[in-house]
Amino acid sequence: SQTIHQWPATLVQPVGSPLSLECTVEGTSNPNLYWYRQAAGRGLQLLFYSVGIGQISSEVPQNLSASRPQDRQFILSSKKLLLSDSGFYLCAWRRGPETQYFGPGTRLLVL
Amino acid sequence: GDSVTQMEGPVTLSEEAFLTINCTYTATGYPSLFWYVQYPGEGLQLLLKATKADDKGSNKGFEATYRKETTSFHLEKGSVQVSDSAVYFCALSDSNQGAQKLVFGQGTRLTINP
Repeated sequence: SQTIHQWPATLVQPVGSPLSLECTVEGTSNPNLYWYRQAAGRGLQLLFYSVGIGQISSEVPQNLSASRPQDRQFILSSKKLLLSDSGFYLCAWRRGPETQYFGPGTRLLVL
Repeated sequence: GDSVTQMEGPVTLSEEAFLTINCTYTATGYPSLFWYVQYPGEGLQLLLKATKADDKGSNKGFEATYRKETTSFHLEKGSVQVSDSAVYFCALSDSNQGAQKLVFGQGTRLTINP
């Protein structure tokens, strides 16, 4: 069966510090991968998606970036965090039919 | 662009009450429709889905019917339990898009009191 992992689970970072969040998927190959953000009290916003290694599409201009160095690894990064980057970050994968499956999420607080 | 609109929350009900959470959508293509649930502190779980008009998705006592004529996908449950307390998200996926991006509603927080 397929599983999706995210880490860290929780992160507290100062403004201006760098960020690296990791997502890995097990039990499948060549999945579509997605990063979403859920700001406090709000819905989910698609940030990036990837249909293959090295292929990244950005949905919202911001100071975040994404990379896919391996087939089942998706990384969300920032060089300098802003207060507005705080939120709950969710990774998801899809292969075949439309359903996306979500990871447990990373809660980021920027102070 | 495509969009999803959910009823405003929060919604508070007593145990065994009937639940309806409204969801309407706007899409240019022929989307698939989903309900996801987020329990406190957790990620999203797929609750149910429907891929074409008049399909009914169901799971754990929840149901939703894909109504193309009213562009709706309302979530219903006949008798809610305390364990159903969570945030519910309606979403669509345009099957014509290769990347299968999901567009979410704003979420509806549901609290069930014993």
